[in-house]
Amino acid sequence: SQTIHQWPATLVQPVGSPLSLECTVEGTSNPNLYWYRQAAGRGLQLLFYSVGIGQISSEVPQNLSASRPQDRQFILSSKKLLLSDSGFYLCAWRRIANEKLFFGSGTQLSVL
Amino acid sequence: AQSVTQLGSHVSVSEGALVLLRCNYSSSVPPYLFWYVQYPNQGLQLLLKYTTGATLVKGINGFEAEFNKSETSFHLTKPSAHMSDAAEYFCAVSERGSARQLTFGSGTQLTVLP
Repeated sequence: SQTIHQWPATLVQPVGSPLSLECTVEGTSNPNLYWYRQAAGRGLQLLFYSVGIGQISSEVPQNLSASRPQDRQFILSSKKLLLSDSGFYLCAWRRIANEKLFFGSGTQLSVL
Repeated sequence: AQSVTQLGSHVSVSEGALVLLRCNYSSSVPPYLFWYVQYPNQGLQLLLKYTTGATLVKGINGFEAEFNKSETSFHLTKPSAHMSDAAEYFCAVSERGSARQLTFGSGTQLTVLP
């Protein structure tokens, strides 16, 4: 069976510090991978998606970036966090040509 | 372009009462439609989805939703609310065959009163 792992579960970082959130998928190959952010009181916003190694599509210009160094690994990064980066970040995956999206358990990021 | 509107950011119902969460969408092509539920401090869990076929879709935990093409709606219902249904619910739409995946609504927080 397929599983998705996302860590850390919670993170408190000062403004201006770097960020690295990691997501890995097990039990499948060549998945489509996604990063979403949920800000307080708002819906889910798609940040990045990837259809293959090294292929990243950015939905929203901001100080975040994403990378896919391996087939089942998706990393969300920032060189300098802003207060507005606080939120709940969710990694997700799906098989190509299948509409169902599977979500990780999320990371609650607080930037102080 | 596609978008999703969820009417009512907060809905309160009594235990045992009908749950109705509203969702309207816009899409330039026939969409896939989804409802997800998010319990406190957890990721999202798929409740149900509509792709093709029967417009009334049954999901987990007694929830169901009906795709109404003429009204561009996909409202979520449950005949009798349970305390464990308290959560945030998200409606989402995706374009068929698109790698971009889901566009979510802003969410509806459901409170179940004893």
